[in-house]
Amino acid sequence: EAGVAQSPRYKIIEKRQSVAFWCNPISGHATLYWYQQILGQGPKLLIQFQNNGVVDDSQLPKDRFSAERLKGVDSTLKIQPAKLEDSAVYLCASSLGGQPTQPQHFGDGTRLSIL
Amino acid sequence: DAKTTQPPSMDCAEGRAANLPCNHSTISGNEYVYWYRQIHSQGPQYIIHGLKNNETNEMASLIITEDRKSSTLILPHATLRDTAVYYCIVRGGSNYKLTFGKGTLLTVNP
Repeated sequence: EAGVAQSPRYKIIEKRQSVAFWCNPISGHATLYWYQQILGQGPKLLIQFQNNGVVDDSQLPKDRFSAERLKGVDSTLKIQPAKLEDSAVYLCASSLGGQPTQPQHFGDGTRLSIL
Repeated sequence: DAKTTQPPSMDCAEGRAANLPCNHSTISGNEYVYWYRQIHSQGPQYIIHGLKNNETNEMASLIITEDRKSSTLILPHATLRDTAVYYCIVRGGSNYKLTFGKGTLLTVNP
């Protein structure tokens, strides 16, 4: 079974520029998550999708971050404009559903560096 | 969501069992205990989860105390590749979020 695919693996941009990350979940997984992991900390949930609808985006800084999941499969996360504090690893995860018995499976993330 | 307490770091000799403790004294009856690990430069890897009963899979065993206030993850024969940060998470609340803490850095020594 193929895992969660993310690209790019690394990205370096200057502050105030925009950037986008892409995620392809495990086939058949209805629930998709984006996390932010700052160096030295555990991942923090940004947004959760169920199919192509948003379930929880309470931790997403909506003035600069946006995410979409068209057709309920692939997803993109965008930052515009980027700030220095956005330097982090952005992780995508997916699960069959959002029930507590269904584990989330993570990709290896995109490491974003802001200059 | 219930909070968890884990030691910041532990060491284990290669080939020996690694026993990672976790305290979750405020866990509710419908909340699950999950364990993930994160090897350097990789995403978190799911290990195991449980509600009340002890669980075992090909990677590890999960022992949950009868009062559910603590648990132990057991890696039966640790290898160098098991060196990672191990996260114990209580999953429940709204939307059954995974709320990661700082975890335990397990170092397996040759």
